[in-house]
Amino acid sequence: SQQGEEDPQALSIQEGENATMNCSYKTSINNLQWYRQNSGRGLVHLILIRSNEREKHSGRLRVTLDTSKKSSSLLITASRAADTASYFCATVSSSNTGKLIFGQGTTLQVKP
Amino acid sequence: DVKVTQSSRYLVKRTGEKVFLECVQDMDHENMFWYRQDPGLGLRLIYFSYDVKMKEKGDIPEGYSVSREKKERFSLILESASTNQTSMYLCASSSARGSQRPYTQYFGPGTRLTVL
Repeated sequence: SQQGEEDPQALSIQEGENATMNCSYKTSINNLQWYRQNSGRGLVHLILIRSNEREKHSGRLRVTLDTSKKSSSLLITASRAADTASYFCATVSSSNTGKLIFGQGTTLQVKP
Repeated sequence: DVKVTQSSRYLVKRTGEKVFLECVQDMDHENMFWYRQDPGLGLRLIYFSYDVKMKEKGDIPEGYSVSREKKERFSLILESASTNQTSMYLCASSSARGSQRPYTQYFGPGTRLTVL
């Protein structure tokens, strides 16, 4: 079952602007992950944040996690046309079964 | 780098045919997964496997079966393909070992299956 809700479903920005995507989930988690998918391709892991972390950075990516609100956000700074893709959040439950529960995804278009 | 390969990028089959989708990973991961992805529905888990010869149903197992005879290979089988199984199929693998990125999934490039 899909427990993640992502917001917005679609986002269009100009190159150089920042892009923010939000994800909400329903159950207790071990960690939350963000993935990227270029059109017609498989997903690629971007960043993981554990349930005891509040913020994490990787290059131009910044992820926050608020376990009290069961929500996360992904910020891409200084976006580039090559960032155009779909972005998915996925959660690993506290029971650590290894299954990921994916959100519906946000489609990001970065215009040159 | 982890590599997950899928046997075909594009596949066209006829209704009623038996279809095999193969997935191979080269990182000795114990977990393997099959998803289908459809517009507006996101990724839906079909089956997964925690070990050789072990399988568990995901959210939408009807019309599918799987086989895992070797650790590196996980096959998805459509027993009798139907038009509503036209979709993008994604395979992934993961490991619980290693403390840095637990359960991060590594995906193959996907197989776009069309059933006529």
